Amino acid sequence: QSALSQPASVSGSPGQSITISCTGTSGDVGFYNYVSWYQQHPGKAPQLIIYDDINRPSGISNRFSGSKSGNTASLTISRLQAEDEADYYCSSYTSTNSVLFGGGTKLTVL
Amino acid sequence: QVQLRESGPGLVRPSGTLSLTCTVSGGSISGLTWWGWIRQPPGKGLEWVGFIYYTGSTNYNPSLKSRVTMSVDTSKNLFSLKLSSVTALDTAVYYCARSQRMIYEDHWGQGTLVTVFS
Repeated sequence: QSALSQPASVSGSPGQSITISCTGTSGDVGFYNYVSWYQQHPGKAPQLIIYDDINRPSGISNRFSGSKSGNTASLTISRLQAEDEADYYCSSYTSTNSVLFGGGTKLTVL
Repeated sequence: QVQLRESGPGLVRPSGTLSLTCTVSGGSISGLTWWGWIRQPPGKGLEWVGFIYYTGSTNYNPSLKSRVTMSVDTSKNLFSLKLSSVTALDTAVYYCARSQRMIYEDHWGQGTLVTVFS
């Protein structure tokens, strides 16, 4: 199984909004409502920020939102802040009971 | 608050077996959640390794399945990973995590770097 496809990098200025895409297939992203997103700062463990396509865990800012259309899921970060600069990974449960991660997207806050 | 901590050798010889343990605190490993391992080669992305339930049921990444064994010790509140016949491609930071329904991981350990070297 191939990794989910994410852009290698995105950037934005403080206060702006950015969107990171995560493209899979009808056997993973498009099969269930089971896409999750993780934020990872350098040298740190990933942190869950979105689960089940659109839900935020307790304590995660409402500036983070998830959506999905067909085989592509998206993470939107609004009102960008310097602390949002990090790597972002999507993940999906698949129709074969496996888990796939995206290749990761590096977010730069200009 | 659930906390996880990985432990084990940081260096493994090629063709040897990588062995790691994840100790869970702040909650019982026998709850209605799965427990997993995810790895990250230096400078690269995340890769799912496998999950285990407290009953011993497992779900492994098909690409690693022939080399992976996971086990659980409910009396010590820990679970373990063994990866056999390692090569340099297995060099990575290995994270243990709590997984909800095998769908998302809501608690992670800090990670431990395992290097395969000769």
